[in-house]
Amino acid sequence: DVKVTQSSRYLVKRTGEKVFLECVQDMDHENMFWYRQDPGLGLRLIYFSYDVKMKEKGDIPEGYSVSREKKERFSLILESASTNQTSMYLCASSTPFAGGYRETQYFGPGTRLLVL
Amino acid sequence: AQSVTQPDIHITVSEGASLELRCNYSYGATPYLFWYVQSPGQGLQLLLKYFSGDTLVQGIKGFEAEFKRSQSSFNLRKPSVHWSDAAEYFCAVGALGTDKLIFGTGTRLQVFP
Repeated sequence: DVKVTQSSRYLVKRTGEKVFLECVQDMDHENMFWYRQDPGLGLRLIYFSYDVKMKEKGDIPEGYSVSREKKERFSLILESASTNQTSMYLCASSTPFAGGYRETQYFGPGTRLLVL
Repeated sequence: AQSVTQPDIHITVSEGASLELRCNYSYGATPYLFWYVQSPGQGLQLLLKYFSGDTLVQGIKGFEAEFKRSQSSFNLRKPSVHWSDAAEYFCAVGALGTDKLIFGTGTRLQVFP
């Protein structure tokens, strides 16, 4: 069974704090993703990593950065948290598209972040 | 541009009733389509996926979906809903040329006893 874990289920931070959200997957997946989920907006991609140290901006990268030093771990960083970053953050992983077959993305349980 | 539309934000059904959740996509080639379910406070779990072949796809928990190219739709169905099906449902399409997924905005399902 694929397992994607996220370091915290709930997090409360103050405006201006640096926030780290950690995600670990145990299936040796090349791809890892960070999404933000807000009511009525669905899932929006923040960043995508297709290999160690490789990253690509998603649809809403502003105010966020990422780090992928090891294949199994993908970190999302809020350099200076703001109240409009209060949200649910979901991490996912997958294998690359190959041979006409697209693998699904496997999701972690999410981190609900409140920025005060 | 590729996109996914879930026209129903919120659906309420009685337990035992049938269910159909709508999903329409905009895509320039044969799409890769997914349905995910998110129970309250949880991550997303894959219900089913369509890549090619038979247009009626069976998934977990008794769900099925039918791909209709002529209508650009991939609607999710279940013949008899259980109270435990109350959740949010997301349709997604694989973005062309990448490993990313494009998600719809979701449909929240409420089940009354």
